[in-house]
Amino acid sequence: DQQVKQNSPSLSVQEGRISILNCDYTNSMFDYFLWYKKYPAEGPTFLISISSIKDKNEDGRFTVFLNKSAKHLSLHIVPSQPGDSAVYFCAGGGTSYGKLTFGQGTILTVHP
Amino acid sequence: DGGITQSPKYLFRKEGQNVTLSCEQNLNHDAMYWYRQDPGQGLRLIYYSQIVNDFQKGDIAEGYSVSREKKESFPLTVTSAQKNPTAFYLCASSIAGGSGNEQFFGPGTRLTVL
Repeated sequence: DQQVKQNSPSLSVQEGRISILNCDYTNSMFDYFLWYKKYPAEGPTFLISISSIKDKNEDGRFTVFLNKSAKHLSLHIVPSQPGDSAVYFCAGGGTSYGKLTFGQGTILTVHP
Repeated sequence: DGGITQSPKYLFRKEGQNVTLSCEQNLNHDAMYWYRQDPGQGLRLIYYSQIVNDFQKGDIAEGYSVSREKKESFPLTVTSAQKNPTAFYLCASSIAGGSGNEQFFGPGTRLTVL
């Protein structure tokens, strides 16, 4: 039972354009969501999070949107830069769980 | 300089041997976690601990064991019962295990069983 799904294994974008990474979840008990960025052979680094009481959170070039009725969230990167090329994971968590559930990841490639 | 350290970066073992992966944090975090990453499978939770001397199984605990005798340390033992141990192992910690708490990750250990 995959509670968090990232259905696009990869995404390719031109430098300067918008990157949109998508994530779907099934567990209604999740009350916060996080996005992580990961380079090969390194640990993931935290990017941005959103509480389930919000529908948008912005931090510089990164914006996360949450649609609770559709159980869908997305990460927008504007403008995309070659250094953004990495694997992006979304994760869901709940107050009662004490842990996160991660999606499979999406490989983002930003071409110069 | 606070953070999470995992050692070694690369580890090779023969089939049938137990091996212990180290994870240490000096962030004064209560909660610690072990994940495994395989290609195309994302991060899967092996074990987690919300407080010293207590830990819970994650989604793929079979063939693994942990201990949490000290707040800063959460070693993971990959036993010979683990059918497919070759993977990239990641340790993480957070202030507490509850809502909204970001997890900080170590650099990972690549285990290869020959």
